[in-house]
Amino acid sequence: KAGVTQTPRYLIKTRGQQVTLSCSPISGHRSVSWYQQTPGQGLQFLFEYFSETQRNKGNFPGRFSGRQFSNSRSEMNVSTLELGDSALYLCASSFEGQNTEAFFGQGTRLTVV
Amino acid sequence: KNEVEQSPQNLTAQEGEFITINCSYSVGISALHWLQQHPGGGIVSLFMLSSGKKKHGRLIATINIQEKHSSLHITASHPRDSAVYICAVRSLGGETSGSRLTFGEGTQLTVNP
Repeated sequence: KAGVTQTPRYLIKTRGQQVTLSCSPISGHRSVSWYQQTPGQGLQFLFEYFSETQRNKGNFPGRFSGRQFSNSRSEMNVSTLELGDSALYLCASSFEGQNTEAFFGQGTRLTVV
Repeated sequence: KNEVEQSPQNLTAQEGEFITINCSYSVGISALHWLQQHPGGGIVSLFMLSSGKKKHGRLIATINIQEKHSSLHITASHPRDSAVYICAVRSLGGETSGSRLTFGEGTQLTVNP
C-alpha cells in the first residue's frame, strides 16, 4: 500500500510569508504527527492530530498550526516565516497512535530567505 | 539533560564489523523506536520495542525496561548501512501522550568498504 506522502518536497519562501505543508497518511491510519528537524535542535515534536482533533502539541509558537481533515490528511501552516523556521518538516502516521508503529514521510525541506 | 541520550554520536566501522549503538532514557515509556535516516531526509522505522528483543535480518534491537536502556546491533555491517540511526521514545502519559515521540540526537554511522 502507498506510504506517507508529503508535499511539496522542497520549498523556498521569504521572511514574513506563510506556508502550508501537506501530509497524506497511509490508508486507514488516523493519527498524524508533525516534527521539525534542524541541525541545531534535532527532531522536535510539533503536534499530533487524531480523528480531526489536535491531541497533543509541542513547545512551538502560535505561528505554527495545523489541522486534519475527515480523510485523515493533515496540513500544517507556518505564518510570518522567520529564518529560523528553515528546517526539514516530517510527518508520521500511525493506525491509532499510542503503541502502534509510526511511518514517516520523506519530509518537506523548507528554506526561508 | 536530554530525556533520550544516544552514544556514540559518530561511529566509523569497516565492512563486516559488528556495530552497537546505545540509547538511554530517563522517563517511563510505553514504547521505544529505532529509526534510520539516510541523506535526503526520509526516515524509516526499523523497530518498535516495549520489551525484550527483536531481530530483522542483520539488525537486532534489545531493550531493558528496568535499566531504561536499549541497544541496536548491526551484524556483518555493509556500506549501505551508512546512515543516521535515531532512538525515539513514547512517554507514558495515558491518552494525552498520543503518539508524541521524543528523540535522541542520532548516531552517524559510516561503514567503509
